[in-house]
This record gives sequence, structure tokens and C-alpha cells, in this order.
Amino acid sequence: GQSLEQPSEVTAVEGAIVQINCTYQTSGFYGLSWYQQHDGGAPTFLSYNALDGLEETGRFSSFLSRSDSYGYLLLQELQMKDSASYFCAVRGAALIFGKGTTLSVSS
Amino acid sequence: EAGVAQSPRYKIIEKRQSVAFWCNPISGHATLYWYQQILGQGPKLLIQFQNNGVVDDSQLPKDRFSAERLKGVDSTLKIQPAKLEDSAVYLCASSSRPVLFADTGELFFGEGSRLTVL
Repeated sequence: GQSLEQPSEVTAVEGAIVQINCTYQTSGFYGLSWYQQHDGGAPTFLSYNALDGLEETGRFSSFLSRSDSYGYLLLQELQMKDSASYFCAVRGAALIFGKGTTLSVSS
Repeated sequence: EAGVAQSPRYKIIEKRQSVAFWCNPISGHATLYWYQQILGQGPKLLIQFQNNGVVDDSQLPKDRFSAERLKGVDSTLKIQPAKLEDSAVYLCASSSRPVLFADTGELFFGEGSRLTVL
């Protein structure tokens, strides 16, 4: 079967840096994606890692270690608008999502 | 470019009643997915279509859920009869190619249809 583990909640203050970890167990792994979802909104794509290493997109970076079945999303210079749920998702024949991490950013 | 459209946004029904949700994907997207998202959890794949054919419906409770995509464009998800545990947001997503063959596997989601079963 497939399983993904990520923390349920993370809190931080504006301007800080936060790392959201994701460990996974799956067969047929092709890559790890990250999605952001604001309350009542649609999940939106943030980043994708197929190979080991760090991918940087503006304030957000994502890392993957295939040998450790581990990845993380790094959010820098946090803003209030970053308060949302963040999901890691394993790409195989379909996209399988973790349960999500709720990030709360305070001033 | 118009996004994924879903309707209705909200629906409240009694248990044992039926309900249908509609999805219109991004123009030209051949692959369409229905996900179920229960409060506090991640989206769970129910069914995946490639054009008008079903690719994967292994997680669809077929005794009460059905879905179709007759002309390979818009899709309908039906629940009959509904149970209390079906209360969730039903998300439709589309992509230009199947997840397995796309560059990043990016899915484009609609805002969902929130179902409450009383």
C-alpha cells in the first residue's frame, strides 16, 4: 500500500522560516509534489521533485531524498497569506495525498 | 484560461437521498479526476478518466457512487443513496496528460462541491 506522514500542525511568526516534512511508503514512486490549500479553496500546485535535491521557487523550496523516502517543503520569509494547509503527494499511476499540515502564521 | 468549474458549491441532503455533482475541466485536458476530501484530511482519489474511459476506479464505492464522462469533456459524479460518512468536499481536477506521463504531474483543481448529509 501507500502511506504518507506529515505533521498535522505548524505555527510560526511572520518573517520566519518553516520546514514541513513528509515521509512516504509507496510502490512505483515517480516523484513528490507539494500543494497549498486555503480554507474553502482549491488545492494549488507549489512544487515537484523527481530527483534528489533541492528545487527553489521564490520563497518556497522543496527537497527530496529518494533513498530515505523523505522530502520537505521550506517556506521562507513567511507572510500572513501563507496560512493554509500544505499537502505532500506521491506521484505514481495517480497522485496520492498526505493528510496535510495546517500552517498558522501570526504577526 | 478558465479553470476547472464545479457545481453546485454547496449541497445539503438527508441520508438515503441522492445527489449529483458536475465538473467541467480546463479546455483540452484529457485527464479528469474526482477526489473526496473529508474535513481535516487530504484529498482521496475516487476515479480517474482518460478522455471518456475509466483508468482507475479502485477506490470508488461502487455500491453507491457512480461517475461518467460521456463525451470526454465534462463529468458527473453521483451518490445514491447517501450516507452520513459521505459528508465531504468533492474535488474535480484535470490535467493535460495522465499523472504518470506529465512532466510534473501537476493537477488543476476546482473549488469543490461541499456535501453535508444529515
